[in-house]
Amino acid sequence: EVQLVESGGGLVQPGGSLRLSCAASGFTFNSYTMHWVRQAPGKGLEWVSYITSSSNTIYYADSVKGRFTISRDNANNSLYLQMNSLRAEDTAVYYCARPQTTVTTTWFDPWGQGTLVIVSS
Amino acid sequence: SYVLTQPPSVSVAPGKTARITCDRNNIGSKRVHWYQQKPGQAPVLVIYYDSDRPSGIPERFSGSNSGNTATLTISRVEAGDEADYYCQVWDSSSDHFFVFGTGTKVTVL
Repeated sequence: EVQLVESGGGLVQPGGSLRLSCAASGFTFNSYTMHWVRQAPGKGLEWVSYITSSSNTIYYADSVKGRFTISRDNANNSLYLQMNSLRAEDTAVYYCARPQTTVTTTWFDPWGQGTLVIVSS
Repeated sequence: SYVLTQPPSVSVAPGKTARITCDRNNIGSKRVHWYQQKPGQAPVLVIYYDSDRPSGIPERFSGSNSGNTATLTISRVEAGDEADYYCQVWDSSSDHFFVFGTGTKVTVL
């Protein structure tokens, strides 16, 4: 069974840092690009970042560019999101998600259960 | 900005049909995917590639996409279908790349 389990969320002050982790199992992790998607309380889904299987290509949403860093450890089947200079608007549940990709499109299946990040003083 | 517009809410009686729309100019040229999210849970894929169903998703869920509107249809609605639903596309020409719709709350009366 494919499983994604996030951890590392919590309460952090504005300007602070947090590192999220996503432990993957049940599939060949090093063959997949991986993504982070977030959801602010009561709001919709927002794509955050992705990293290709060999870490050669990385993209970020404009809202987090320069503050967040995505990385992975294929030996340990783990995905990470280092979040610096956190702002109140970064408060959200953060999901890791495995994509399914064709030439023309990408969708996400499955998703982890999410980890909540609260940025507040 | 790149926006996929969904109605905020749809109400439907049990046994009836719910239709959730996802609007954007020429969305028919993109492949649309749909997710169901129940309170406190992660999103679950219910339709991919406009109209394909993942294994385990009931046949009551179907999708279509043409022109400026993609539609998720839930037939013979059950109480367990009450959830938020999001459409999603990938657009390589957009700096957003992976775009989600605004979301629709489906309420079963």
